[in-house]
Amino acid sequence: GAVVSQHPSWVICKSGTSVKIECRSLDFQATTMFWYRQFPKQSLMLMATSNEGSKATYEQGVEKDKFLINHASLTLSTLTVTSAHPEDSSFYICSASPGGVRQETQYFGPGTRLLVL
Amino acid sequence: AQSVTQLGSHVSVSEGALVLLRCNYSSSVPPYLFWYVQYPNQGLQLLLKYTTGATLVKGINGFEAEFKKSETSFHLTKPSAHMSDAAEYFCAVSARSSNTGKLIFGQGTTLQVKP
Repeated sequence: GAVVSQHPSWVICKSGTSVKIECRSLDFQATTMFWYRQFPKQSLMLMATSNEGSKATYEQGVEKDKFLINHASLTLSTLTVTSAHPEDSSFYICSASPGGVRQETQYFGPGTRLLVL
Repeated sequence: AQSVTQLGSHVSVSEGALVLLRCNYSSSVPPYLFWYVQYPNQGLQLLLKYTTGATLVKGINGFEAEFKKSETSFHLTKPSAHMSDAAEYFCAVSARSSNTGKLIFGQGTTLQVKP
């Protein structure tokens, strides 16, 4: 149980284009979803927290107009990297929390590797 | 503010040897504590967590961790390392008072297992 999927698993795009990454909780409803960014050999950096039906809360230093997050349902959140540039190349990981008595636990997706040329 | 420190960015052990990965936290109130494992090019898998109750927590793959409030530590151990344990390990904390479950991660420790 508690499976989270991400699509696509990897993507290569040209500079200036937009890329959408999907995060789905497959067997539970996620009241909260999180988006992280991870550079090689580094830890995860939280980008934003999103709750179903409301605006995402972005961490300091994360451009909300560049990294658009939509949490339209209790099982789906999307991250859109707008006008991507090479410096946006990274490993993006989402996680989902069931809320309630398991609010403190996050279940992670397999990640999406983005390469911007 | 909460913080997590993992002592040792790289730990190397022989197969069959004891694994000890260190994690210390800084928080005015003991937080929820987690250990996650990450294999190359994959997401994170929850190994174990401490929320309340017994301070020795057993997780998957033979790992366990002990919450020591007096030492503000949550070290991860495994009696006998296996080659498949080679991975990146992250300690994380979450404030009990948080209504978002936001995690703060340590820097990570790479575990190498030598044959």
